Amino acid sequence: GENVEQHPSTLSVQEGDSAVIKCTYSDSASNYFPWYKQELGKGPQLIIDIRSNVGEKKDQRIAVTLNKTAKHFSLHITETQPEDSAVYFCAASITGSARQLTFGSGTQLTVLP
Amino acid sequence: DTAVSQTPKYLVTQMGNDKSIKCEQNLGHDTMYWYKQDSKKFLKIMFSYNNKELIINETVPNRFSPKSPDKAHLNLHINSLELGDSAVYFCASSKEGAATGELFFGEGSRLTVL
Repeated sequence: GENVEQHPSTLSVQEGDSAVIKCTYSDSASNYFPWYKQELGKGPQLIIDIRSNVGEKKDQRIAVTLNKTAKHFSLHITETQPEDSAVYFCAASITGSARQLTFGSGTQLTVLP
Repeated sequence: DTAVSQTPKYLVTQMGNDKSIKCEQNLGHDTMYWYKQDSKKFLKIMFSYNNKELIINETVPNRFSPKSPDKAHLNLHINSLELGDSAVYFCASSKEGAATGELFFGEGSRLTVL
């Protein structure tokens, strides 16, 4: 089955700096890569996703890049703000398959004021 | 209006007891899930139901029994609770399968087994 590794497990940045979280996956057939943000005491929420037919996707301060050859994808947050502090999860799956989404182990991001 | 709601938010109980967690979604989705999040924040799928039918059971002990009375509800009953069952349990739903589209999670139910 799919295996998703996520690094780092914790990340502290100064407000206004950028943050990068990296994930690798094992199954070359995977083609859907969402990122979820989990705030304290809440359930995870989708913030951005990318499919394997594109290499990069942006949404305001958030961007995701995908390198299918190397089987890794990354989340980039620019101009970080205190409200970006949360646990971030990457995930991977094969679109339309019965096999479920495989999550990474999560990254606790802390934005220091 | 809460899209995916689960109750209770907190449960504290003794080993050996039986407990239930209820989940309801008002999004009109066909697929619902139960996930377990352990103390290290790792998210693991337990069950997936599509239109009231079980489609995924990820080697969960049979002390855990999901029940879907209709496609808007997916409840989780746990028998003979063990210490290792302590975790946060999340209900989720999706329009398409989780492998394809967005998952909508509830706020979680924190279970503590003493």
